[in-house]
Order: sequence, then C-alpha cells, then structure tokens
Amino acid sequence: DVKVTQSSRYLVKRTGEKVFLECVQDMDHENMFWYRQDPGLGLRLIYFSYDVKMKEKGDIPEGYSVSREKKERFSLILESASTNQTSMYLCASSSFTWELFFGEGSRLTVL
Amino acid sequence: QKEVEQNSGPLSVPEGAIASLNCTYSDRGSQSFFWYRQYSGKSPELIMFIYSNGDKEDGRFTAQLNKASQYVSLLIRDSQPSDSATYLCASQYGNKLVFGAGTILRVKS
Repeated sequence: DVKVTQSSRYLVKRTGEKVFLECVQDMDHENMFWYRQDPGLGLRLIYFSYDVKMKEKGDIPEGYSVSREKKERFSLILESASTNQTSMYLCASSSFTWELFFGEGSRLTVL
Repeated sequence: QKEVEQNSGPLSVPEGAIASLNCTYSDRGSQSFFWYRQYSGKSPELIMFIYSNGDKEDGRFTAQLNKASQYVSLLIRDSQPSDSATYLCASQYGNKLVFGAGTILRVKS
C-alpha cells in the first residue's frame, strides 16, 4: 500500500526557531513535493524535487529550504520560523504521473 | 501567476441528487486537469483526471473540460452523504500542479 509518512503531526515552535519537517515515502517515487494549505488559499507549492539532490522552487519558496539526500526522503526547513508560517504542511510524492500521494500533514503553529 | 478558481461553497445537495462542482483556470496553455477529494482532517486523494475536451466518466463521477471557455467541472450523480468533502481542482502548468482553494460539498440525507 502507498505510504507517505510525515514525521510530526503537530508542532509548536517559537518565532526565530529553526524547524525541520521530514517526509519519507516507500513507493520508490521520483518526485516529491511540499505544499502548505491555508483556509481560502488552498494548496500552495513551496518546493519540489525530481531527483536526489535536485530541488526546484515552487510558488512560495521564501523563508523555506529543502533537502533531498536520499530518494525516499524530502525535508522542509524553516530557517527562522515566523508567525505567518503557521499552517498545515503537506508532503506528497508521485511517479511519472500527476497522481500525488499525500502524507497526513504536519500542523505547525509558530508563536 | 497561474490561477485556478473555485467557488468555496458550501454547496449543499440532497442525497440522490447531482452535485455540480466548477473550476476555471487562467492559462490557456494548461493541458491536464485533476480533481482531488479531501475529507475533513484528511489528506487529498485523486479521484479524476481529464486531458481532452468533452466528458470523462468513472462510475458516479463525470469530469467535463471546455478548453475554449477554460472551464472544468465535476459532476457527482446519486450523491451520497459519504461524498461530503472538499473537492480540489488542479491544473498542470509545466512541471507544477496548481490547486484551487476547493469547494466544500455537503450531501444531506
């Protein structure tokens, strides 16, 4: 069965803290994505990756970075968390189609 | 900025009725369109995709695409309470998938 696992379901961080969100997929998918989901704004693409050590900016990359050292793992990093980064973060993976398989999501609150 | 627009709803329909969900997109160059369903507290899952003008049917679901009008729709026949969810329209722009904000559907028994 398809599985995308996000390391933390709920996180509470302070402004200025460095935050790591980890995502692991067990489907040997080439493509991995990080989205954030906010009410009224839908899913917005932060970063994506088509291969190990490869990354491309999405529509809202500011304040974020990513790392993909292994095919199955894609990490999202908030270098210095701010309150406007409070959101639901969704990781997804796909093979050579646009059927994205999403993780359960990580709800981040920045105080 | 490529945009996908949806009415946020909620759209309320009685059980057994046809639910019609609509979506417009801004870029004529977009080729592929997708409908994802998201239950409350859960992650989105793909239910339909369409590439060509016209209709595509899959069980109780029909996706419709009109490229001239830049319009995509999803029809759900014989709506069931279990169809109550948020429906996200998405469009492929190059190597990105751009989502609309979603339409909340409520099916009342």
